[in-house]
Amino acid sequence: GNSVTQMEGPVTLSEEAFLTINCTYTATGYPSLFWYVQYPGEGLQLLLKATKADDKGSNKGFEATYRKETTSFHLEKGSVQVSDSAVYFCALSLPGNQFYFGTGTSLTVIP
Amino acid sequence: AAGVIQSPRHLIKEKRETATLKCYPIPRHDTVYWYQQGPGQDPQFLISFYEKMQSDKGSIPDRFSAQQFSDYHSELNMSSLELGDSALYFCASSPRAVMNTEAFFGQGTRLTVV
Repeated sequence: GNSVTQMEGPVTLSEEAFLTINCTYTATGYPSLFWYVQYPGEGLQLLLKATKADDKGSNKGFEATYRKETTSFHLEKGSVQVSDSAVYFCALSLPGNQFYFGTGTSLTVIP
Repeated sequence: AAGVIQSPRHLIKEKRETATLKCYPIPRHDTVYWYQQGPGQDPQFLISFYEKMQSDKGSIPDRFSAQQFSDYHSELNMSSLELGDSALYFCASSPRAVMNTEAFFGQGTRLTVV
């Protein structure tokens, strides 16, 4: 079946620290991979995506590389800010199919 | 740019009542998804529609039903509400013909059952 396994939180970091949130997937086929972010009280917003192996998605200093050999899509940021505090969801989709989400990782960045 | 519109934003109902949630997708998006997100939980897929037909079905209770109308908006009908139905309900839309596209989410409807 299709599923996403995401690093459990919560994660607490100091400002300017390096962030990694692990995400691995299982899929029947060739999925597209996404990271969504949910700020308090808001809906899910697309952070970045990658649609094929070795693609790198990037946005707002966040990056993730689609690794087919390790079925992973880890989210990284070199220097987090307080404003990055949110819940991050890894997700996959297959053509014509629903989205599958990971459990979400709560990130708190302290000054 | 137009986004996914959900109404109402907040809803309070009593046990055993019914509720109807509405979702207006982005123009020209033909696929609508419904998700339920409990407190501190990840979004759980409920059901999706493509071109007004049910496309996929997830963990939607039998007490719930949904449909997509000719203008592509969708409604989630919830009956015999239970306390455990209290959650944030998200709608998302996407254009299925566009390969590898993301789903665009609405702000959600927060349902509280008392």
